[in-house]
Amino acid sequence: QKEVEQNSGPLSVPEGAIASLNCTYSDRVSQSFFWYRQYSGKSPELIMSIYSNGDKEDGRFTAQLNKASQYVSLLIRDSQPSDSATYLCAADMRFGAGTRLTVKP
Amino acid sequence: NAGVTQTPKFQVLKTGQSMTLQCAQDMNHNSMYWYRQDPGMGLRLIYYSASEGTTDKGEVPNGYNVSRLNKREFSLRLESAAPSQTSVYFCASSATSGGGAGSGETQYFGPGTRLLVL
Repeated sequence: QKEVEQNSGPLSVPEGAIASLNCTYSDRVSQSFFWYRQYSGKSPELIMSIYSNGDKEDGRFTAQLNKASQYVSLLIRDSQPSDSATYLCAADMRFGAGTRLTVKP
Repeated sequence: NAGVTQTPKFQVLKTGQSMTLQCAQDMNHNSMYWYRQDPGMGLRLIYYSASEGTTDKGEVPNGYNVSRLNKREFSLRLESAAPSQTSVYFCASSATSGGGAGSGETQYFGPGTRLLVL
C-alpha cells in the first residue's frame, strides 16, 4: 500500500514561533510533492509545491524534500494565528491525513 | 472565473438511494479528480480522469462510478448509497499537460459536497 504519513498532531506553537510539519511517503517513484492548507469546513488550497531535493522558500514558508529518505517537511516562520489550520502533505495524487496546527496569540 | 464548482453542497440520502455529484471547472484543465475526506483519514482518491475520454480508479473506487462528460465536467455517481459513503466529497482539477495526472501540477479544489447516508 502506497502511503503518505504525517505527524498526527495537533501541533501548537506560540505566535511568532517556527512551526515544523513533517511527512514521509512510501512510493519511491513519487515525483511531485505538495503542501496544502485546509481551514475547518473549507477546501484545501496549495501552500507550496516541491519537485527537487533541497529547500524551496516562499515568504514565511520553506518546503524541504529529501528523496533518499522519502521525507518532506514544511517550516512556517513567524507563525500567525491565521496560520491555524490543517496542513495536508501530498505525493502526486496521494494525501496524508493532515496535521492540525494551532498558533496561539 | 468560478474555478471548480460542485453541486449539491449538501445531500441526505437513505441507504440504497442513488445520486450523482456534479463537478465543473472553467480553467481549461485536462485532468479532474474525485476525493472523499473522512475524519482522521485525509483525502482519498476515488477516481480520476487524466484527460477527456479517460477515467481511472484511485484508492477507493468501490461503490462509485464516474463520467467525464466533456473537458469541463466530471460527475461521480453512487448507484446504491451505503452509510459507509457518508463523507465530504471534493472534486479537483489540474492542468497536467503531458506529465500524467497528478504529476507536477497543482490541484485546484471545489468547495465540497457533504453527503449523509442514513
